[in-house]
Amino acid sequence: EIVLTQSPATLSLSPGESATLSCRASQSVGSQLTWYQQKPGQAPRLLIYDASYRATGIPARFSGSGSGTDFTLTISSLETEDFAVYYCQQRSGWPPRFTFGPGTKVDFK
Amino acid sequence: QVQLVESGGGVVQPGRSLRLSCAASGFNFIMYGMHWVRQAPGKGLEWVAVTSYDGSNKFYGDSVKGRFTISRDNSKNTLSLEMNSLRGEDTAVYYCATDRGTSGGYGMDVWGQGTTVIVSS
Repeated sequence: EIVLTQSPATLSLSPGESATLSCRASQSVGSQLTWYQQKPGQAPRLLIYDASYRATGIPARFSGSGSGTDFTLTISSLETEDFAVYYCQQRSGWPPRFTFGPGTKVDFK
Repeated sequence: QVQLVESGGGVVQPGRSLRLSCAASGFNFIMYGMHWVRQAPGKGLEWVAVTSYDGSNKFYGDSVKGRFTISRDNSKNTLSLEMNSLRGEDTAVYYCATDRGTSGGYGMDVWGQGTTVIVSS
């Protein structure tokens, strides 16, 4: 089973700053890496799929990169609504299996 | 717009059963695989199960395999999760979500707001 590790666990930043979140897989997942955002009391929201493709309606300040085992989610200039928990997720081939990382919380400094 | 509304959650005793439902609207339900994902209190996300667009393929996470059954009724735009032999560790918010494709193999796209299941005596 592929294990995802996210770092840091918590990232304390101010609005306007840039955020860099890391996700590392225990073995190569190619580009099959997805990022979700979850705010308190809300359902997760799809941000990035296939490592670098923004989902519909996601602002350009969100970008994803990486392949193989190392992936990064970058938020170029934090808005107040971006303070949330971010999860990475990998998908296997077939049969499908999905595992999530433990999450990175972006909170106010 | 795309809407997913889960229902059926509640408090249930260990060993008992519960059936969750997810009503879909605002999109062509039959064209998408569908998932169940859960989140224990204060914890991260755990994938539970997926079904392909036509229900012909169904896959489960290891922790629920053999106890949970995912199904769909495309005539009613409804997704279900039958949960048997419930355990305390099944306590969670259960979300239904669309897949990005028909097979169910692409990952979650749009999510419902979730329904809470508490397994307790």
